Amino acid sequence: QITLKESGPTLVKPTQTLTLTCSFSGSSLSTSGVGVGWIRQPPGKPLEWLALIFWDDDRRYSPSLKGRLTITKDSSKNQVVLTMTNMAPEDTATYYCALNVDPGIALLEAFDVWGQGTMVTVSS
Amino acid sequence: DIQMTQSPSSLSASVGDRVIITCRASQNIGTYLHWYQQKPGRAPNLLIYGVSKLKSGVPSRFSGSGSGTDFTLTISSLQPEDFATYYCQQSHTAGTFGQGTKVEMK
Repeated sequence: QITLKESGPTLVKPTQTLTLTCSFSGSSLSTSGVGVGWIRQPPGKPLEWLALIFWDDDRRYSPSLKGRLTITKDSSKNQVVLTMTNMAPEDTATYYCALNVDPGIALLEAFDVWGQGTMVTVSS
Repeated sequence: DIQMTQSPSSLSASVGDRVIITCRASQNIGTYLHWYQQKPGRAPNLLIYGVSKLKSGVPSRFSGSGSGTDFTLTISSLQPEDFATYYCQQSHTAGTFGQGTKVEMK
């Protein structure tokens, strides 16, 4: 069984940098084709795609947030880290990490396994 | 950026109804189109990937179709557990979600 868990601060101040970690088991970022992404959802609003990193370190970023986001991986620990700079109140959201594992799903870059999400509030 | 536009934003339906949700991309995205279901307080759940491929374990009443820029999700006979919000997502260029369609009980 594959499980993912997001961890990080629940409260950050405006202008601070947010660092979130996605830890997962039951799969490996060393496996060809596997990718891990981050998605967020402000309260009562739609999902927003943020970033994605693949087993081979290929990375994709949301064009609208690209300058603020960095995604990295530690394959030995099965962890993916997302950093977001210059946080603002509108960045308040539940942040999800998600994995594509099934080869067919991974090839098309959909997400077939999701974490439970972690709520981050930006406030002074 | 590729924009994804879903319609309707919400709909009311009854158990047994056929439900159709549409999603339009701002440019050709080929087969890089996926559908997710989300229930309140829960993470999204992948239903369909690559336009029409049903994820293992997803009931066959869900189906997807379309190509290029216009796509549809169809629920052939709505069940009580299907009342939820549905999102399309493109992965042709980075990723983008639609704004969601909330399926409510009539």
